[in-house]
Amino acid sequence: AQSVTQLDSHVSVSEGTPVLLRCNYSSSYSPSLFWYVQHPNKGLQLLLKYTSAATLVKGINGFEAEFKKSETSFHLTKPSAHMSDAAEYFCVVTLKTGGFKTIFGAGTRLFVKA
Amino acid sequence: EAQVTQNPRYLITVTGKKLTVTCSQNMNHEYMSWYRQDPGLGLRQIYYSMNVEVTDKGDVPEGYKVSRKEKRNFPLILESPSPNQTSLYFCASSRTGNNEQYFGPGTRLTVT
Repeated sequence: AQSVTQLDSHVSVSEGTPVLLRCNYSSSYSPSLFWYVQHPNKGLQLLLKYTSAATLVKGINGFEAEFKKSETSFHLTKPSAHMSDAAEYFCVVTLKTGGFKTIFGAGTRLFVKA
Repeated sequence: EAQVTQNPRYLITVTGKKLTVTCSQNMNHEYMSWYRQDPGLGLRQIYYSMNVEVTDKGDVPEGYKVSRKEKRNFPLILESPSPNQTSLYFCASSRTGNNEQYFGPGTRLTVT
């Protein structure tokens, strides 16, 4: 069965310190992987996507993620957190199963302390 | 402006009263999808459409219907809503199924 696991439901960091949001996936197919962000009472916005061109993917607002096939992981990082990064982050997999099915992780809420 | 629109944004209804949530995109995208978002569960895909007249089930299709008669529109139909369908619903579109998805603003549905 295909699934996406975000290993932390909440992460709290201080402003200026690194951010690590962890994501593992399981899939019988070659997936496309994404990270989306949802700010409070807002819609979803793409942060970055992996589609097999390069294992280290750079996104918007200083975020990046590394695809590790051997570990089936796609962790999201940022060197220095900003207060505006406080939001919910979703790891997403799309799978070609005839059509394209989309599976979201349960989300990680990021808190940034001043 | 490129966008996905949903209507209504908020809806309170009663059990069993049929309703439709509309979704429209102006980006000529082939792929469209509906999701529901519930606390602690992330977003779960209800139905998706690869193109006109081509639809398929996501992970939670029970109690929902969709149709794709035109490329730009993908309405979500609840023929007999029940309280467990109270949720926040998002429509999304993308150029193809494995590209970035653009999300609508969401529809908050309450079924009493």
